[in-house]
Amino acid sequence: GEDVEQSLFLSVREGDSSVINCTYTDSSSTYLYWYKQEPGAGLQLLTYIFSNMDMKQDQRLTVLLNKKDKHLSLRIADTQTGDSAIYFCAETENQGGKLIFGQGTELSVKP
Amino acid sequence: EAQVTQNPRYLITVTGKKLTVTCSQNMNHEYMSWYRQDPGLGLRQIYYSMNVEVTDKGDVPEGYKVSRKEKRNFPLILESPSPNQTSLYFCASSGGALINEQFFGPGTRLTVL
Repeated sequence: GEDVEQSLFLSVREGDSSVINCTYTDSSSTYLYWYKQEPGAGLQLLTYIFSNMDMKQDQRLTVLLNKKDKHLSLRIADTQTGDSAIYFCAETENQGGKLIFGQGTELSVKP
Repeated sequence: EAQVTQNPRYLITVTGKKLTVTCSQNMNHEYMSWYRQDPGLGLRQIYYSMNVEVTDKGDVPEGYKVSRKEKRNFPLILESPSPNQTSLYFCASSGGALINEQFFGPGTRLTVL
């Protein structure tokens, strides 16, 4: 079945760039997403990319999609302590309502 | 205020005692979904509903039931809870053109003893 994989932890210094990586298996994915979960809270959608795009930029966030390698990344420029959270990538299976999440990457930003 | 609400937020129960976790949204969204979150496993989809009276299994539907009798509500039912259903549960809804631009509820932490 479909699978989405992420590394579990990432630690960076404040002001550095963070890059969170994700690989997926479903070649028919139409949308890929990045969600953020702050401690004790639900998930919030950060950004998404349609599968016919290579890159999407939104302020400090840059999403790169390598469809050939089925690799998705989220780059956070000038990372702040407020960016400390768990980041989930997710993909949509075709046009349906089934959403597959990765395990989440816990980003720790040190001052 | 547009929101997804879940009740209860915390629940401790015993094996075999039927329980229902309610989910309600006030955004007139067609799509609603339930997830469970477990350490190291991320979020896994339990059930989803594309509209009233339309429900479908997600990745981990065993041991759960849902119903969608009206648009705003999507309760999650555990007929006979077991300890392996101890988890953090999230309800979500979506109604935009991007079906999966979902709005999440605050979560329900369930412990089954």
